[in-house]
Amino acid sequence: NAGVMQNPRHLVRRRGQEARLRCSPMKGHSHVYWYRQLPEEGLKFMVYLQKENIIDESGMPKERFSAEFPKEGPSILRIQQVVRGDSAAYFCASSSQLAGVYEQYFGPGTRLTVT
Amino acid sequence: GQQLNQSPQSMFIQEGEDVSMNCTSSSIFNTWLWYKQDPGEGPVLLIALYKAGELTSNGRLTAQFGITRKDSFLNISASIPSDVGIYFCAGPTTQGGSEKLVFGKGTKLTVNP
Repeated sequence: NAGVMQNPRHLVRRRGQEARLRCSPMKGHSHVYWYRQLPEEGLKFMVYLQKENIIDESGMPKERFSAEFPKEGPSILRIQQVVRGDSAAYFCASSSQLAGVYEQYFGPGTRLTVT
Repeated sequence: GQQLNQSPQSMFIQEGEDVSMNCTSSSIFNTWLWYKQDPGEGPVLLIALYKAGELTSNGRLTAQFGITRKDSFLNISASIPSDVGIYFCAGPTTQGGSEKLVFGKGTKLTVNP
């Protein structure tokens, strides 16, 4: 069974460019969570999605950030006009409807560097 | 908002030693989760605790859910080099409308062979 997959693993963008991070949940999982981790920090919740629905985006910055989880294909976290402060590791986690937050499986993360 | 405070921030130990770390909060949690993050990887769930006072083991790892529901402890016995990593506690919160996890800042463990 493939685990949660994220790509790319490393992404370098210049200030002002767009970053697209992709997450394929585990097979059978319909819930996706995105987290951001700054150096020496824990993970901070950004957004919770189910297929075609954003359930909770209370942790997402109001501007430049958006997320989707289409009916087909991976979940996408999109950061427009990146700034240096966006440099971080971005993790997605997936879970089944039954397990919810109590059994989240994390991907390996995408490390975004903004130059 | 709800915050989890982990201590110590880092530990340097010799292989074979036992390790103890804890996680506290000013708020009550109904579930405590302990994760380990290897360098360059995502967190992996180690132990989940669902009941106050519960003591649960997973191999050399033992975790306890504090009676007050405001703290939890993780112990690692007879540490080995592959125990190196960052250990995070986490708990569910409904702030913002849905249930999600809040994480502590982690305890970084270094094991010297």
